[in-house]
Amino acid sequence: GQNIDQPTEMTATEGAIVQINCTYQTSGFNGLFWYQQHAGEAPTFLSYNVLDGLEEKGRFSSFLSRSKGYSYLLLKELQMKDSASYLCAVKDSNYQLIWGAGTKLIIKP
Amino acid sequence: ETGVTQTPRHLVMGMTNKKSLKCEQHLGHNAMYWYKQSAKKPLELMFVYSLEERVENNSVPSRFSPECPNSSHLFLHLHTLQPEDSALYLCASSQDWTGGSYEQYFGPGTRLTVT
Repeated sequence: GQNIDQPTEMTATEGAIVQINCTYQTSGFNGLFWYQQHAGEAPTFLSYNVLDGLEEKGRFSSFLSRSKGYSYLLLKELQMKDSASYLCAVKDSNYQLIWGAGTKLIIKP
Repeated sequence: ETGVTQTPRHLVMGMTNKKSLKCEQHLGHNAMYWYKQSAKKPLELMFVYSLEERVENNSVPSRFSPECPNSSHLFLHLHTLQPEDSALYLCASSQDWTGGSYEQYFGPGTRLTVT
């Protein structure tokens, strides 16, 4: 079967750095997405990786290793508004997005 | 209106009712999706439409019936639902459903409670 694993919850301090990991086992691979979802709101797109390596976008970076079936989302200089759930999703060989259950990130002052 | 809109935002219905959820995208996209989101569970893809044609139906019970009259509008018709169908129903759109890099844009969702 297809599976995406990510931690259920993480806690970090304002101003710090946090890394949210995602491992996947899917039928084929056509890219990996990270989305942010604030409570009661729609998911919003953060990043897309299809090649190995690090993609940086401001305070957020996303890393991919296809051989290991592994990705992480790195958030720097954490702000209180970064408190949200972070969803990892992989597009499989049928171009369907397979989603993880999300990581709830709690930022403390 | 911009992005993806959904109505209603909240819906309470009995198990014998019939109701419909509406989604509209103002992005000129060719693909639209219905997802179910339950607490602490991954998003479940229900239906995919590409250029008004259904391309995926992930073993969804027949009490959920989608309709896509044009590339901007998507409906989800509900009838004789069960309490376990209570969830957040999200609509999304993307430029194309097969393109690897095309991200999906989500609406705010309809919070459905079945009593």
